[in-house]
Amino acid sequence: AQKVTQAQTEISVVEKEDVTLDCVYETRDTTYYLFWYKQPPSGELVFLIRRNSFDEQNEISGRYSWNFQKSTSSFNFTITASQVVDSAVYFCALSPIGGGGADGLTFGKGTHLIIQP
Amino acid sequence: EAQVTQNPRYLITVTGKKLTVTCSQNMNHEYMSWYRQDPGLGLRQIYYSMNVEVTDKGDVPEGYKVSRKEKRNFPLILESPSPNQTSLYFCASSRDRGYGYTFGSGTRLTVV
Repeated sequence: AQKVTQAQTEISVVEKEDVTLDCVYETRDTTYYLFWYKQPPSGELVFLIRRNSFDEQNEISGRYSWNFQKSTSSFNFTITASQVVDSAVYFCALSPIGGGGADGLTFGKGTHLIIQP
Repeated sequence: EAQVTQNPRYLITVTGKKLTVTCSQNMNHEYMSWYRQDPGLGLRQIYYSMNVEVTDKGDVPEGYKVSRKEKRNFPLILESPSPNQTSLYFCASSRDRGYGYTFGSGTRLTVV
């Protein structure tokens, strides 16, 4: 079975600070996808990134960056120069690649990020 | 526009009154799934479908039914809703089981 752990339930920082959201995962699959989703106060789930398990290159998109380390089963998310609009709940998720079976997208419990002005 | 459409967005109902939450996608995706979101528990999979007429249980299927008669539609049925099914529900679709998921806007259900 798959498991995703987001140990930080809530993080509060002041605007313009950098913040890192942690994600640790467990899976028996050798190939898998990792995801981050953002859930703003309006409630919808916004896709941020998908990484596959064979690509450990870090990725940067504007103020967002992701650090994937297979050796520690971690996929951390950093927001640089945070803004009030970044306030949301962020979910890390894991899915096996292809095949059948019940394991679909397994989510962590989320980190509530509060950016104070 | 590629999307997953869920209806209704909000629903308040009484215990025992059967209800259906509809989900439709226009991306010709084979894989569809239902999740419920509860405070402190994150999102948990209820049912999923690999293709038409192929459905199976996820992590929390008790009290729910689904059907997949057409590729685009995947309704969630609560035959006899109970207060512990009060939750935020999401439908999602994907090209295959792990590729990438498009989520609907969510249905906030309250059972009194």
